[in-house]
Amino acid sequence: AQSVTQLGSHVSVSEGALVLLRCNYSSSVPPYLFWYVQYPNQGLQLLLKYTTGATLVKGINGFEAEFKKSETSFHLTKPSAHMSDAAEYFCAVSSPSGGSYIPTFGRGTSLIVHP
Amino acid sequence: DAGVTQSPTHLIKTRGQHVTLRCSPISGHKSVSWYQQVLGQGPQFIFQYYEKEERGRGNFPDRFSARQFPNYSSELNVNALLLGDSALYLCASSLIAHSYEQYFGPGTRLTVT
Repeated sequence: AQSVTQLGSHVSVSEGALVLLRCNYSSSVPPYLFWYVQYPNQGLQLLLKYTTGATLVKGINGFEAEFKKSETSFHLTKPSAHMSDAAEYFCAVSSPSGGSYIPTFGRGTSLIVHP
Repeated sequence: DAGVTQSPTHLIKTRGQHVTLRCSPISGHKSVSWYQQVLGQGPQFIFQYYEKEERGRGNFPDRFSARQFPNYSSELNVNALLLGDSALYLCASSLIAHSYEQYFGPGTRLTVT
């Protein structure tokens, strides 16, 4: 079984401030981990993914995430928030080595960016 | 190249009716997955189809069904609509069934009144 917990349904930051969105996962086998972004009235866009190898992964729009197995975490960060980053962010986990490529999504975190 | 397309964009139905949602995958992609996203929650997996065969099914009642056509497009059908079926229905395509690389369409917003 696999699951994802996103801490904080809403995160509010000022423009230019650090963005930190938290994600903890549960998986009985080595996980694949993803962050997706969803802008209003749109589908999901993949920001970045961790499969194997380097634990620090860089994605689009200046975002990055670090896979920490000991903490079962995959937090998303960006050094400096832009107004255009305001959106819903979803963390997801899948377990290909367990036979399942179907991702399980968290409930999402809404990022609010203040001028 | 066109991305994943879905139709219609929005739909309003009344309880008890049925609905058909359509999805066209990215050219060359042979697998289509359907997700339900209720307001304030993450997407929940409904079905995956590959080469016209069902390859996976989530925890949804039999009122939900789907199929995939020879051109790899897909339909999601929901019968006997309930108020709780109101959601954004997302389609995602991938090259093959066993792939973590999924590309999502913009979704169909279904409102059941």
